[in-house]
Amino acid sequence: AQSVTQLDSQVPVFEEAPVELRCNYSSSVSVYLFWYVQYPNQGLQLLLKYLSGSTLVKGINGFEAEFNKSQTSFHLRKPSVHISDTAEYFCAVSADQGAQKLVFGQGTRLTINP
Amino acid sequence: DAGVIQSPRHEVTEMGQEVTLRCKPISGHNSLFWYRQTMMRGLELLIYFNNNVPIDDSGMPEDRFSAKMPNASFSTLKIQPSEPRDSAVYFCASSRAGGPEETQYFGPGTRLLVL
Repeated sequence: AQSVTQLDSQVPVFEEAPVELRCNYSSSVSVYLFWYVQYPNQGLQLLLKYLSGSTLVKGINGFEAEFNKSQTSFHLRKPSVHISDTAEYFCAVSADQGAQKLVFGQGTRLTINP
Repeated sequence: DAGVIQSPRHEVTEMGQEVTLRCKPISGHNSLFWYRQTMMRGLELLIYFNNNVPIDDSGMPEDRFSAKMPNASFSTLKIQPSEPRDSAVYFCASSRAGGPEETQYFGPGTRLLVL
């Protein structure tokens, strides 16, 4: 079985500052990794995903994430945040074979202050 | 293109009543998922279908919950009887059939309050 730990439940940052949202996973098999964003009162939207190949993955809205197999991490970064990035961010994992099941972390609430 | 459509968006009901949540997946998508989101438990997968067939319902909390997918464009999640602890946001998501690498597209959710 897979599990995901998002180390920070809340992250406040100032506008135009860089941000990193941390995600660690646990799995006995190879995995695919995802970051989803949830804006207030909306469903989840895919930011980016890692399937294979380059460990640095670029997504929408200027976000990127780096897969680190040895540290079982998939941290999300953005060099300069905007007020519009205020949202909840979810890291998720699925095993690379078998069932199409996503396991989500508890989420990190990113708050951008002017 | 229309995304995943869920109805109703909000539902308030009294304990003991039957609740039916509805979902229309994206056209051409063959997999459909029902999730529940609460503050305490986060996002939990309840059940998912491939080609209208339930594949894994291990996340369904108990017999009060049931889900159906009579055709490729419609699914329901029913709670009977409802209890206050069922209060949550219920999301439907769909994806192309294929494998665990597929992106899931989420609907806007149904916010359920059971009094």
